[in-house]
Order: sequence, then structure tokens, then C-alpha cells
Amino acid sequence: AQTVTQSQPEMSVQEAETVTLSCTYDTSESDYYLFWYKQPPSRQMILVIRQEAYKQQNATENRFSVNFQKAAKSFSLKISDSQLGDAAMYFCAYRRSLNNNDMRFGAGTRLTVKP
Amino acid sequence: GAGVSQTPSNKVTEKGKYVELRCDPISGHTALYWYRQSLGQGPEFLIYFQGTGAADDSGLPNDRFFAVRPEGSVSTLKIQRTERGDSAVYLCASSFGGVEAGELFFGEGSRLTVL
Repeated sequence: AQTVTQSQPEMSVQEAETVTLSCTYDTSESDYYLFWYKQPPSRQMILVIRQEAYKQQNATENRFSVNFQKAAKSFSLKISDSQLGDAAMYFCAYRRSLNNNDMRFGAGTRLTVKP
Repeated sequence: GAGVSQTPSNKVTEKGKYVELRCDPISGHTALYWYRQSLGQGPEFLIYFQGTGAADDSGLPNDRFFAVRPEGSVSTLKIQRTERGDSAVYLCASSFGGVEAGELFFGEGSRLTVL
């Protein structure tokens, strides 16, 4: 079974600073997808960034980037130039490729951005 | 519609009652997922539909929970004899079907409170 672990229940960052959220996962698959989702108080999960396991290059989306370490099964999210609107719950998620299977989520990290 | 729509947004019921939660996925998405999110936790997989059939219902906690998708579009999650432990946010998501796994698009969820 695949499991996703987020070891930081809460994180805090000063506005305009950089913060890194950690995620590790367990799988025996070689091909899979990893995601970071943001969940604001509105409850809707919004995709922040995704990474295909077969790609060695780390994904980047504007101020968001990942550090994907496949051998270590680590997938951290870096948020640069943090903004007040980044405050939310962040969930790391794993999805197996080749089958349209379910997505497994970590327990989440609550990010607070201080003005 | 443009996004995944879930109704009702909030539902309060009494222990022992029957409830139905509805999900209207993004047009053209053949895959549909139900997740349950308890307070302070990540979403927990319940069931996944590919078209009209339940491809994986391994996450349903017991036989009080049932979901249907009769025409391959709208889905209804049905909970019989509700218990206080069923209180949670029920999230629906949809995605394109096929071999290639990818992003799930989520609705805003239905918050169920069982008194």
C-alpha cells in the first residue's frame, strides 16, 4: 500500500520569505505522480504543482517549486516570496500511474503567513 | 458547469437518519471520486467510478455507505443510519479517464454533521 507522510502539522513563514514543506511517501512502484494541493478555508482543493516520477527535473510553477528525491522517496514543496494568500492547508498526494487509481493524501501542513 | 459542483454545502442530520450527497462532475470527465475528510486530516479515499461502474470501492468504511453513478455523470453518496462518527466533509473529485493518471479536480465539499 502507498502511504504519504507529512511530518510538519504546522509551519509559519514571514511574508516575502521562503518556506519548505516536507513530504515523504512509500511505494514499490517505479512510475507514479506526486502532487501538492492547497486547501483554503473555502474547502476546495486546488492543485499547486505536480511531478511525474519519470522526470528527473524538478517541477516549477512561478513561486512554487519542488525538490523531488526519488531514491529517498521525498517530495518537498518550496514557496518563495510568500504572500498572505498562501496561508492554507497544504496536502501532499501520490497517485499511481497506468491505472486510473485513487489518490492518497498526507495529513496536511497548516501554513501561516505573518505580515 | 465549469467546475465540480457538490450539494448540499452543509447538511445537519440526526443520528440514525438517511442522507444523500450529490456530486456533479466537470463535463467530459469519466472518472469520479469520493473522499472523506475529518477535521484536521487529509482526504481519505472512499470510492472511485470509471463511467457508471464502481472501479474501486475499497475505501467505503462499511455497508451503511453506498454510492451510485447511474448515467456516468452525476453521482450520489448515500449514507444509511448515520452515526456521529460520520460527521466530516465529503469531497468529490473528477478527472479525465484513460490510462494516463493526472490531476483531480475537486468540489468544495459537503459538510455533514450528525447530531
